[in-house]
Amino acid sequence: EVQVVESGGGLVQPGGSLRLSCAASGFTFSRCWMHWVRQAPGKGLVWVLSINPDGSRTIYADSVKGRFTISRDNAKNTLYLQMNSLRDEDTAVYYCAKDWVSGWSFDPWGQGTLVTVSS
Amino acid sequence: QSALTQPRSVSGSPGQSVAISCTGTGSDVGGYNYVSWYQHHPGKAPKLMIYDVDKRPSGVPDRFSGSKSGNTASLTISGLQAEDEADYYCCSSAGGYTYVFGTGTKVTVL
Repeated sequence: EVQVVESGGGLVQPGGSLRLSCAASGFTFSRCWMHWVRQAPGKGLVWVLSINPDGSRTIYADSVKGRFTISRDNAKNTLYLQMNSLRDEDTAVYYCAKDWVSGWSFDPWGQGTLVTVSS
Repeated sequence: QSALTQPRSVSGSPGQSVAISCTGTGSDVGGYNYVSWYQHHPGKAPKLMIYDVDKRPSGVPDRFSGSKSGNTASLTISGLQAEDEADYYCCSSAGGYTYVFGTGTKVTVL
C-alpha cells in the first residue's frame, strides 16, 4: 500500500523551531517529487513546499521562504520539514503528500501532524 | 499568489447534481491543464478526486467529473450520495513548480 505518515508536530513558542518527518512506504520514494501542504484551523489547504526526487531542487511558497527548509533522505524513505522562526500564523495541520503518478497533483496524503505556535 | 475562488458552500438532495466552480487567472487555472480536485473529510487525509482537469484516478466513482473553461474549472458530482458530504478543494499549477489551492467548498447532502 502506498502510504505517507507524518510525525513531529507539537507545541512550540513563537520564534522557536520544529522538525517534521514524513515516512514513505509502498513506492519508490527516490523517484518521486514530494510536497508539504498545510491547513490552519478553520481555513483551507495551502501549498507550502515541494522537493524533486534527488533533493537538488526545492520550491517554496513566499510565506515560508527563508524560514522553512524541505529536505529528504532517500536511503531512509523520509521527507523532512525544518521550521525555524515560527510565527503564530504557522499554526496548522501539516500534510505530507506524494506527487501523483502523472505529476501536478498530490496523492496520497498523510493524516497530518498538528503544529501549534503559542506562548 | 491569491487563493482560487470557490463558493463557500453548495448543497443538494440525494440523487441530485451539484457543481463547484474554481476561478483563477491566466497565470494558474487558465494557463495550465493541471487542475486537480480533493475531497477532504475533516480529520482525515485529503483524497485526490480529479487530476489534469478531467481525469479520474482509479477507484473514484464516475459520478465525479471535472471540466475547465478559460480561467474557471468546475467539479460536478452527479447522483449525490450521503458519503459525498465533505469539503472540496481545487488546486492548480501556478508556474515554476508552484501550486495554488482554492478557498474550499463545503458540500452538504440534504
